[in-house]
Amino acid sequence: GQQLNQSPQSMFIQEGEDVSMNCTSSSIFNTWLWYKQDPGEGPVLLIALYKAGELTSNGRLTAQFGITRKDSFLNISASIPSDVGIYFCAGPETSYDKVIFGPGTSLSVIP
Amino acid sequence: EPEVTQTPSHQVTQMGQEVILRCVPISNHLYFYWYRQILGQKVEFLVSFYNNEISEKSEIFDDQFSVERPDGSNFTLKIRSTKLEDSAMYFCASSADRGPQETQYFGPGTRLLVL
Repeated sequence: GQQLNQSPQSMFIQEGEDVSMNCTSSSIFNTWLWYKQDPGEGPVLLIALYKAGELTSNGRLTAQFGITRKDSFLNISASIPSDVGIYFCAGPETSYDKVIFGPGTSLSVIP
Repeated sequence: EPEVTQTPSHQVTQMGQEVILRCVPISNHLYFYWYRQILGQKVEFLVSFYNNEISEKSEIFDDQFSVERPDGSNFTLKIRSTKLEDSAMYFCASSADRGPQETQYFGPGTRLLVL
């Protein structure tokens, strides 16, 4: 089945720094999703991407849908302590019945 | 803003007992899902449900699991005889429709601990 890989696995950064994380796939996705999960909470959708090459922003977050449809990145500018959490890339399978999640990138922000 | 709610937030049970996890999806949504997340691992799909029947299920969703929409608002996941390895966070999700631009909205989860 389709699988997603994320890098890095974890990041420790100083408050105010910019962050970049990647997601790659073994096969094509037609939609890319980025979720954030706070400890003990459910995933919350940050950004959805629907077209190859699309670049979308949501406040300090920017994500891009790779041209090959097999990758995506998420950037966070000027990080703040509340950015701490696990960031998952995800994409619906062809049937759109289920969403496949990557293993996540854990972000820690040092004040 | 409408949201998916789940109860209970935490459940502790003995191995072999039955548990029912409850979800109230967003009110105008028609598609419902259960996912689980074992501690420290990624979120995994269990089952999708539409029009009062299962539309897709994963290999994790074996005969011990069942889902039901008992009334117009609730969506439940039952584990008939829990095992230690069923300990996980269970997330309910819902979407208005199915397709490339439809978003699944997740609830806060139920943390299940099987002893």
